[in-house]
Amino acid sequence: GENVEQHPSTLSVQEGDSAVIKCTYSDSASNYFPWYKQELGKRPQLIIDIRSNVGEKKDQRIAVTLNKTAKHFSLHITETQPEDSAVYFCAASIYTSYDKVIFGPGTSLSVIP
Amino acid sequence: GAVVSQHPSRVICKSGTSVKIECRSLDFQATTMFWYRQFPKQSLMLMATSNEGSKATYEQGVEKDKFLINHASLTLSTLTVTSAHPEDSSFYICSARDPGAGGKYEQYFGPGTRLTVT
Repeated sequence: GENVEQHPSTLSVQEGDSAVIKCTYSDSASNYFPWYKQELGKRPQLIIDIRSNVGEKKDQRIAVTLNKTAKHFSLHITETQPEDSAVYFCAASIYTSYDKVIFGPGTSLSVIP
Repeated sequence: GAVVSQHPSRVICKSGTSVKIECRSLDFQATTMFWYRQFPKQSLMLMATSNEGSKATYEQGVEKDKFLINHASLTLSTLTVTSAHPEDSSFYICSARDPGAGGKYEQYFGPGTRLTVT
């Protein structure tokens, strides 16, 4: 089955700096890659996603890149703010009518004011 | 976006008892729902896929007789933790995708249920 790895496990940046989180996946059939932000005790919130037919996607300060050949995808957050502090999960999925999402182990991001 | 609810949000039970957690899609019908378990400071681990009108599909290592899943309608899936033990204490989260959302692949997550077994 699918296995998703994620690095780093913890990341601390100064406010205004950029943060990058990298993930790899194992199943070449995976074609949908969402990123989630989770605050303590809350449900995961989708922040951006990318499909395998796209190499890059951007939404304001957040961008995601995908390299299908290498099975790598990354999250980039620019101009970080204290409210960006949370745990971020990458995930992989094979989109069908019965798709399931496999999560990476998570990255705890701290943005220092 | 679509809304998924869970009930209860928190539950405390004694060791050896059973606990039922409900997951509802409020504004869409879901033929498939997913159940995850999350231990503190860990990731969401997929437990099983709940299929409306048929048996659930369990991930490797998940005991189907301990975690009973019933998906009796297009808007409701239940997870019953049978003979609960302290090691079953965890955050249980369900999710579903709205098949009527066109090309959107997004999964909608419930708010989670915090289970504590004493």
